[in-house]
Amino acid sequence: SQTIHQWPATLVQPVGSPLSLECTVEGTSNPNLYWYRQAAGRGLQLLFYSVGIGQISSEVPQNLSASRPQDRQFILSSKKLLLSDSGFYLCAWTKWGGAGNYGYTFGSGTRLTVV
Amino acid sequence: GEDVEQSLFLSVREGDSSVINCTYTDSSSTYLYWYKQEPGAGLQLLTYIFSNMDMKQDQRLTVLLNKKDKHLSLRIADTQTGDSAIYFCAESTSGGSYIPTFGRGTSLIVHP
Repeated sequence: SQTIHQWPATLVQPVGSPLSLECTVEGTSNPNLYWYRQAAGRGLQLLFYSVGIGQISSEVPQNLSASRPQDRQFILSSKKLLLSDSGFYLCAWTKWGGAGNYGYTFGSGTRLTVV
Repeated sequence: GEDVEQSLFLSVREGDSSVINCTYTDSSSTYLYWYKQEPGAGLQLLTYIFSNMDMKQDQRLTVLLNKKDKHLSLRIADTQTGDSAIYFCAESTSGGSYIPTFGRGTSLIVHP
């Protein structure tokens, strides 16, 4: 069965420090991968998505970047965190194939607090 | 662009049925989903429905799709306090950019 791992679960970082959040998927190959941020107002904001190794699409220009060094690994990074980067970060994956799509599976999230 | 709308709050009494509604604008939507998010957790896929279906039932959950009105609903029968959570409606389109569009979520509060 497929699983998605996201870590760390919580993180408190000072302003100006770097960030690296990691997400890995097991039990599938060539998934579509996504990074979302959920602010206190609840809505999901798509940050990045990737349809293959090294292919990253950015939805919102900001202080963050993403990379996909391996097929099932998706990394969210920042060189210098801002207070406004605080939030709940969610990784997700899906597959599209001949049978269509059966939903997007989310990781358990990382609560980032920038102080 | 595509948009998914849902009411922000719903309050029900334990044992009653809950109905969470959602409207979407993309007429080419192929897949529609309902997700549940408990506090501090990720989103959990509850159920999905293809656009060529009108209804899908899974135990206490019933999904109704009115494609003409672009309206999707989730009915939870015999609502329990453990059903208290935020429920997200989402849609995606086959052959598109593979990006799902989520609503802002409906906070379901179940009173004992």
